[in-house]
Amino acid sequence: AQSVTQLGSHVSVSEGALVLLRCNYSSSVPPYLFWYVQYPNQGLQLLLKYTTGATLVKGINGFEAEFKKSETSFHLTKPSAHMSDAAEYFCAVSDIQGGKLIFGQGTELSVKP
Amino acid sequence: EADIYQTPRYLVIGTGKKITLECSQTMGHDKMYWYQQDPGMELHLIHYSYGVNSTEKGDLSSESTVSRIRTEHFPLTLESARPSHTSQYLCASSDFLEEQYFGPGTRLTVT
Repeated sequence: AQSVTQLGSHVSVSEGALVLLRCNYSSSVPPYLFWYVQYPNQGLQLLLKYTTGATLVKGINGFEAEFKKSETSFHLTKPSAHMSDAAEYFCAVSDIQGGKLIFGQGTELSVKP
Repeated sequence: EADIYQTPRYLVIGTGKKITLECSQTMGHDKMYWYQQDPGMELHLIHYSYGVNSTEKGDLSSESTVSRIRTEHFPLTLESARPSHTSQYLCASSDFLEEQYFGPGTRLTVT
């Protein structure tokens, strides 16, 4: 069965510092991978996705993620954190049967001034 | 920008009442989903649909029911609301690459 593990339920960084949110997945087939962001009292918004091709994927708001098959990882990074990045971040992998996404537990990012 | 709508955004209702949470999308997506999410917690899939007249239960057992009579509409109904149903409910639809587009959510409080 497929699964997603996000390491760290809460990450705190200083403004301007590197953001690194970790995501590991398990899948028996080449996966589609996604990162979503959720601001308080809102739905989820897609940050970026990997389907095929280039393993370094760039998304919105300066975020990027690298698909590493050998490490079964899809970590999310941003070189310089901004106060507006404070939110909940979810990693997800597509279900091999198609259609459903399997979400990680989420990581809350706090940004200190 | 995704065109998926949920109404109401906030609902406070008494125990025993019947409620329907509305979800509509204008993207022509066949696949639609309902998730339940407690504040600051992970998403739990409670229902999904792969097209008109197709509905399936998700990974989390729920007392709610859904229908899919039209492609664009996927309402969720609770016949008798209870305090344990207090939560946020998120609706989503997906394209052929499985990217899911989410609505803004309905925050339900049952008193």
